[in-house]
Amino acid sequence: KAGVTQTPRYLIKTRGQQVTLSCSPISGHRSVSWYQQTPGQGLQFLFEYFSETQRNKGNFPGRFSGRQFSNSRSEMNVSTLELGDSALYLCASSQGQGKHNEQFFGPGTRLTVL
Amino acid sequence: AQSVTQPDIHITVSEGASLELRCNYSYGATPYLFWYVQSPGQGLQLLLKYFSGDTLVQGIKGFEAEFKRSQSSFNLRKPSVHWSDAAEYFCAVGLSRGDKIIFGKGTRLHILP
Repeated sequence: KAGVTQTPRYLIKTRGQQVTLSCSPISGHRSVSWYQQTPGQGLQFLFEYFSETQRNKGNFPGRFSGRQFSNSRSEMNVSTLELGDSALYLCASSQGQGKHNEQFFGPGTRLTVL
Repeated sequence: AQSVTQPDIHITVSEGASLELRCNYSYGATPYLFWYVQSPGQGLQLLLKYFSGDTLVQGIKGFEAEFKRSQSSFNLRKPSVHWSDAAEYFCAVGLSRGDKIIFGKGTRLHILP
């Protein structure tokens, strides 16, 4: 099976712009979670989508949003970018239920906000 | 609220030496516990997980972890490290099968030749 893929891998934006990141989960996985990773804050949970519905949400402002499509692919959008949004954004997929709910991570999208 | 603590930000060991990375969690019930590894510029890879049963869990790459309920700990061990083990290691906890997973801040492992 192909792993989790994220596009683009690298992105440079300026303050005030918006950005959309994409994540394709492992085939058969219905859950997609998003994380922000920065040197200062570590890995922080953004949100999780399961069967096109947001199931869990972290403590991020409303500028951060996401959605999931019927094929389980997910997008994350950040509006009105701030310098502090520079981070590695990781996507993880899992079956989302049952005993084996371990997450499989993609390589991440490195976002730089200038 | 549940939390995960990895007390050591950096650890340095010599190649061939044994390794133990500490992880403590805070939660009233028995959570689901995970250890992940992240190499530079890469995503996270699952090393091992504990859901229930035997408290000593074997993982990939020769790693193991032991769940100790009385100490709320899930420490990661390896008897002999290799230079390729240099990476950042994350402990994580999930409350239930459908719940979000909370990660610790990570421990960066350095290997001396």
